[in-house]
Amino acid sequence: DAGITQSPRHKVTETGTPVTLRCHQTENHRYMYWYRQDPGHGLRLIHYSYGVKDTDKGEVSDGYSVSRSKTEDFLLTLESATSSQTSVYFCAISPGTASSGYTFGSGTRLTVV
Amino acid sequence: QKEVEQNSGPLSVPEGAIASLNCTYSDRGSQSFFWYRQYSGKSPELIMSIYSNGDKEDGRFTAQLNKASQYVSLLIRDSQPSDSATYLCAAWNSGYSTLTFGKGTMLLVSP
Repeated sequence: DAGITQSPRHKVTETGTPVTLRCHQTENHRYMYWYRQDPGHGLRLIHYSYGVKDTDKGEVSDGYSVSRSKTEDFLLTLESATSSQTSVYFCAISPGTASSGYTFGSGTRLTVV
Repeated sequence: QKEVEQNSGPLSVPEGAIASLNCTYSDRGSQSFFWYRQYSGKSPELIMSIYSNGDKEDGRFTAQLNKASQYVSLLIRDSQPSDSATYLCAAWNSGYSTLTFGKGTMLLVSP
């Protein structure tokens, strides 16, 4: 979507290396989210942010950390990548109201070898 | 653990038929529900939202909500091959401003 971009789109990395994925929005939305999507598991929330420097854990947060130093940027870091973190990662944004839902980025396909 | 359940499918319908996709949710406190369509290799895109009991129509799509039964459905009329995708049902968690997603139902529309 035009208002949200993720980078990189694809990445291959080695086990044990740190990896950072970036999500950038131009919509000035308060909420930003990181999900991973895996066959058989669907979309699962990793971390989310409800403001600059305000973040909280989702259901699958182990092995991941996040930072949000500006409204428009939300970074997801895999501290020491493992093969189980091979997945498609989606960032999403939302104003945070019950009627709004999310807008998703295009996704990052991460392979850990 | 708040859950949203969907039949994984695939649901196969012929072109021109009505496709009916269903979803149940566990959190009785959920008030808003969303349907997303996801083509293979693409990101989910929002197609419908519903907050009140009953039906909501938008073009060929009708969302239905029954809060007493904790049941949400999506009807697609005059199904087209281009509707072939995975449909994700999601429930809004008001306390956290997050969505809980079902695993999705794959729809296949044959010409």
